[in-house]
Amino acid sequence: EVQLVESGGGLIQPGGSLRLSCAASGFTVSGDHMNWVRQAPGKGLEWVSIIYIGGTTHYADSVKGRFTISRDNSKNTLYLQMNSLRAEDTALYYCARGVTNWGQGTLVTVSS
Amino acid sequence: IVMTQTPLSLSVTPGQPASISCKSSQSLLYSDGKTYLYWSLQKPGQPPQLLIYEVSNRFSGVPDRFSGSGSGTDFTLKISRVEAEDVGVYYCMQSVQLPYTFGQGTKLEIK
Repeated sequence: EVQLVESGGGLIQPGGSLRLSCAASGFTVSGDHMNWVRQAPGKGLEWVSIIYIGGTTHYADSVKGRFTISRDNSKNTLYLQMNSLRAEDTALYYCARGVTNWGQGTLVTVSS
Repeated sequence: IVMTQTPLSLSVTPGQPASISCKSSQSLLYSDGKTYLYWSLQKPGQPPQLLIYEVSNRFSGVPDRFSGSGSGTDFTLKISRVEAEDVGVYYCMQSVQLPYTFGQGTKLEIK
């Protein structure tokens, strides 16, 4: 059974950093395109970042230069390093295997 | 690519049909012949769950009362007979071009 479990969210001050993790089971993160998608409170879905099977990465303009997606094949885990956080980054962050399987999300709140 | 859904809300009597439209600002047909349009449902308090991939293919376990159709820039999700468990927000999404983009969402309620 495919499972994705996000962790690492929390309350952080503007300008701070957080690293989100997404532990996968039932498949290998290196064998699929992996996405991060976020949802601000009461809002719709916003794609954030992708890492392709080959390792190429892409980012939404809103996070480019501040966020970094990566994976650890030995731990079968996807990461999102978030730096220079802003209030508008406040959201529930989901990791997704392509578009087929989603985790439950981890909440990031950026506030002083 | 801008994805525009209509309507933004829908109130349906159980057993009645429902239809949601999704229009994209550019064609979602890729050079490999596939059209990268998806439909997902986000039930209250849950992550999105995939219903339909590549316009018209039901994902594993999705009831056959859900169907997708369309081509190019115009797409439709139809529910033949709405059930109480179908409440939530429906999103279309494209992955033919980065950044991937979602529609605004259509909230389905039961009358």
